[in-house]
Amino acid sequence: GDSVTQMEGPVTLSEEAFLTINCTYTATGYPSLFWYVQYPGEGLQLLLKATKADDKGSNKGFEATYRKETTSFHLEKGSVQVSDSAVYFCALYVGSTLGRLYFGRGTQLTVWP
Amino acid sequence: SQTIHQWPATLVQPVGSPLSLECTVEGTSNPNLYWYRQAAGRGLQLLFYSVGIGQISSEVPQNLSASRPQDRQFILSSKKLLLSDSGFYLCAWSTGGLTEAFFGQGTRLTVV
Repeated sequence: GDSVTQMEGPVTLSEEAFLTINCTYTATGYPSLFWYVQYPGEGLQLLLKATKADDKGSNKGFEATYRKETTSFHLEKGSVQVSDSAVYFCALYVGSTLGRLYFGRGTQLTVWP
Repeated sequence: SQTIHQWPATLVQPVGSPLSLECTVEGTSNPNLYWYRQAAGRGLQLLFYSVGIGQISSEVPQNLSASRPQDRQFILSSKKLLLSDSGFYLCAWSTGGLTEAFFGQGTRLTVV
């Protein structure tokens, strides 16, 4: 079935380090892919998205490219900040009318000054 | 603007009691609606989703059910709660795969 596999955390980095959080998916058809972020004490919010192959989503210095050939949507940031500490979720939307939206397990990121 | 309301925020219920969690959306029509359970280390588990009134799809067999009596109302229910139903429940809506999903504040359910 359709699913998202996300690298397990927690991930601990020093400020200004490079970040990669891996995400791969299994889906029928042509899914849309998302990264959501949950800051401490807050609800989930969209970080970035890509709706077709080779699209690159970007926001707040984060980027992810929709790779159909490797079924991946890895999240990257060149220089993390303490304020990036949060839980990051990869998500997959399947079917324009069927409406299934699946999330990965989440990756806890902690950035130290 | 669109808003999503989910209540109650916290709930403590005895085993065997019924459950009703309500979610309503304002400012949009015919949204996709979702119920998730969030558990530490397990991410968000999709429980139910709905693309229209009376249309409910279940993702996992469980002790819970969902209903959509009105276009912007989504209800999560149980006739008899189990201890294993404890968790954090989130309601969400979206307009489809090209747009983001918006989440409610969640309900922390503790079954005792």
